[in-house]
Amino acid sequence: GAVVSQHPSRVICKSGTSVKIECRSLDFQATTMFWYRQFPKQSLMLMATSNEGSKATYEQGVEKDKFLINHASLTLSTLTVTSAHPEDSSFYICSARGGIGGGLTEFYNEQFFGPGTRLTVL
Amino acid sequence: QKEVEQNSGPLSVPEGAIASLNCTYSDRVSQSFFWYRQYSGKSPELIMSIYSNGDKEDGRFTAQLNKASQYVSLLIRDSQPSDSATYLCAVRGDSSYKLIFGSGTRLLVRP
Repeated sequence: GAVVSQHPSRVICKSGTSVKIECRSLDFQATTMFWYRQFPKQSLMLMATSNEGSKATYEQGVEKDKFLINHASLTLSTLTVTSAHPEDSSFYICSARGGIGGGLTEFYNEQFFGPGTRLTVL
Repeated sequence: QKEVEQNSGPLSVPEGAIASLNCTYSDRVSQSFFWYRQYSGKSPELIMSIYSNGDKEDGRFTAQLNKASQYVSLLIRDSQPSDSATYLCAVRGDSSYKLIFGSGTRLLVRP
């Protein structure tokens, strides 16, 4: 249980294009999803928190117009990197907080990560 | 500024030994604590969660929490080369369910 998928796993695009990344919770309904970015040899940086049916909450310094987040359902959140530039090249990882369907009390507190999307902007 | 501190390592232990990973946090109201394992080029994987003072065991892993000292640790018994990875400590302290991550400790288990 607690499987989170991401698509695509890897994308290479030209500067100025937009890239959409999907995050899905496969076997549970995720109350909240989170988007992180990780540069090489650095720790995870939280970009935004996303709740189904409401606007995402962005962390300080993250441009909401550049990183568009849509949380269409309890199992799907998307991150769109608009007008991508080489400095946006990074490892983007989503996580989902356990919710309905978990079965265990602790499940509600835990975050499960997707496999990540490696974005390279040329 | 809420902080989670970890020694970056690398922590090198021989195969079969006990690896001890430590983490301190600054926010006294933190209630939930997590250990994640991250292999190079992969995303983090949840290993343990702990919410109460004391020890929590799961297989070869034991998480230890001391809220008075604001300290959480992870012990890995009978370390295997496959345990070589970066271990991330994460703390949740408020109702938003956001996690604050440490920078991670790199563990190397020598065959």
